[in-house]
Amino acid sequence: GENVEQHPSTLSVQEGDSAVIKCTYSDSASNYFPWYKQELGKRPQLIIDIRSNVGEKKDQRIAVTLNKTAKHFSLHITETQPEDSAVYFCAASIMGRGSTLGRLYFGRGTQLTVWP
Amino acid sequence: GAGVSQSPSNKVTEKGKDVELRCDPISGHTALYWYRQSLGQGLEFLIYFQGNSAPDKSGLPSDRFSAERTGGSVSTLTIQRTQQEDSAVYLCASSFSTGGTGQYFGPGTRLTVT
Repeated sequence: GENVEQHPSTLSVQEGDSAVIKCTYSDSASNYFPWYKQELGKRPQLIIDIRSNVGEKKDQRIAVTLNKTAKHFSLHITETQPEDSAVYFCAASIMGRGSTLGRLYFGRGTQLTVWP
Repeated sequence: GAGVSQSPSNKVTEKGKDVELRCDPISGHTALYWYRQSLGQGLEFLIYFQGNSAPDKSGLPSDRFSAERTGGSVSTLTIQRTQQEDSAVYLCASSFSTGGTGQYFGPGTRLTVT
């Protein structure tokens, strides 16, 4: 089955700096890659996702890049703010015929701390 | 609209007892997933329902765990003869079966086995 590795496990940055979290996956059939943010005691929330037919996607201060050849994808957060502090999870899935979404394989998470 | 809901929010049970956890998916979502998250850990896949297809049970850790989905909507996760290692937050998620809009999580049920 799919294996998703995520690095680093912890990341501390100063407010206003950028943060980058990287993930690799093993199954070349994976074609859907969402990112989740989980604040302490809260549910994971989908913040951005990307499909394998695009290389980059942006949404305000967050962006995700995908390198299918190398089988890795990254989350980039610019102009970080203290409220960005949370655990971030990457995931991979195979989206089948008709865009049927399968189970997600999650990375182990990155604890991001943004210092004011 | 209403998000994924789960009940109870917290459950404390004695070792050896059975528990049932409930998940109400977002209306119109035909795919439903159960995950488990131990303290400070990642998300462990348990089971996945997709429409009328046979569920993917490959993540269930033992035969003490089972899940049903009635009428293509509400799902119940049952843990029989609970053990202390079953203590975790059990998260349910749902998604459209097509369209790749992602999985949306419920608030979870925190299960504590004493």
